[in-house]
Amino acid sequence: GAVVSQHPSRVICKSGTSVKIECRSLDFQATTMFWYRQFPKQSLMLMATSNEGSKATYEQGVEKDKFLINHASLTLSTLTVTSAHPEDSSFYICSARIDGQGQNSPLHFGNGTRLTVT
Amino acid sequence: SQKIEQNSEALNIQEGKTATLTCNYTNYSPAYLQWYRQDPGRGPVFLLLIRENEKEKRKERLKVTFDTTLKQSLFHVTASQPADSATYLCALAADSGNTPLVFGKGTRLSVIA
Repeated sequence: GAVVSQHPSRVICKSGTSVKIECRSLDFQATTMFWYRQFPKQSLMLMATSNEGSKATYEQGVEKDKFLINHASLTLSTLTVTSAHPEDSSFYICSARIDGQGQNSPLHFGNGTRLTVT
Repeated sequence: SQKIEQNSEALNIQEGKTATLTCNYTNYSPAYLQWYRQDPGRGPVFLLLIRENEKEKRKERLKVTFDTTLKQSLFHVTASQPADSATYLCALAADSGNTPLVFGKGTRLSVIA
């Protein structure tokens, strides 16, 4: 149980284009999902907290107009990297907490999306 | 400033031995701490959660301790196997509210047969 599906797993795009990444909770509902970015040998860096039915909360230094988040249902959040540049190349990972399990409950992660911007 | 430090980037250990990984934190007062395993190119997988009032937690060959005085958690893998080779991340929440987890950089454990 508690599977989070993230697509695509890899994407290569040209500079200036936009890329959408989907994160789905397959067997549970998640009002809140989290988007992280990870550079090689670095920690997971939280980008934003995605809330179903309301605006996402972005961490300091993360441009909300560049990283668009839409949490349209209790099982789906999307991250769109707009006007991508080579410096946006990274490993993007989403995670979710099972609704009703409490704030101390563990996060369930997708398998990440490797974005390469050429 | 707030920090989470896993002081070894990499740890090599012989199969069958016990691996001990360290997680130290500064300027946090976490109610709980979590440990995750991450394999290359994959998302982290939850392993264990330990609360501030718990000294020790076990799950099969894994053991976690939590010392709020030292501001430290230790993660032990006993009778280690090559399949235990992965990066292990500690994580905590800044407060007891519904805040997201903050992760350490991880320690890459390699168990050599």
